[in-house]
Amino acid sequence: NAGVTQTPKFRVLKTGQSMTLLCAQDMNHEYMYWYRQDPGMGLRLIHYSVGEGTTAKGEVPDGYNVSRLKKQNFLLGLESAAPSQTSVYFCASSYSPRLTGELFFGEGSRLTVL
Amino acid sequence: EDQVTQSPEALRLQEGESSSLNCSYTVSGLRGLFWYRQDPGKGPEFLFTLYSAGEEKEKERLKATLTKKESFLHITAPKPEDSATYLCAVRLNNAGNNRKLIWGLGTSLAVNP
Repeated sequence: NAGVTQTPKFRVLKTGQSMTLLCAQDMNHEYMYWYRQDPGMGLRLIHYSVGEGTTAKGEVPDGYNVSRLKKQNFLLGLESAAPSQTSVYFCASSYSPRLTGELFFGEGSRLTVL
Repeated sequence: EDQVTQSPEALRLQEGESSSLNCSYTVSGLRGLFWYRQDPGKGPEFLFTLYSAGEEKEKERLKATLTKKESFLHITAPKPEDSATYLCAVRLNNAGNNRKLIWGLGTSLAVNP
């Protein structure tokens, strides 16, 4: 049982480059989330999705885009990377709206923007 | 301002030395408090949900409790494998932020053999 899988696990980008982080979950969860985790800042929600074909902004959405074309996948895109986007990115999923505090996280994707 | 504060930032214990971690919150309406464990280089792993003051949950050497202003994660006779960062998150009872969790910065626990 894989749970939540993120790819890639590590990536180095130059300022202005673009990239996509892929998140896949095999638990048939409706809700999916993208967080970033920075020292001294805690986990911050970037975007989330409440079901296939839907997306919504979180706390820190600027500079990111997302898509949820299939229920099991949630993609996070950086169109023009900036050094401020250097972070560890976590994808998470949850089963129901009542339990949206009980999240299943992936192992993270460490992104460095030079 | 809605806020979650965890203390201490770091804690070092000897194996078998029981202690407690604190998560205090100031939010406009609590709709659940959640404890997670995070190992280095890994994503957070869900531990407990608490919904109302007086509620308690247990799992192995861990017990979480909730009051109207804070939650405690009690660790009884810890082992080295309990070493991790423990995160607390609060879900707001606010229709406009229905899916918003406020996260604490965590307590880094090290248990020495």
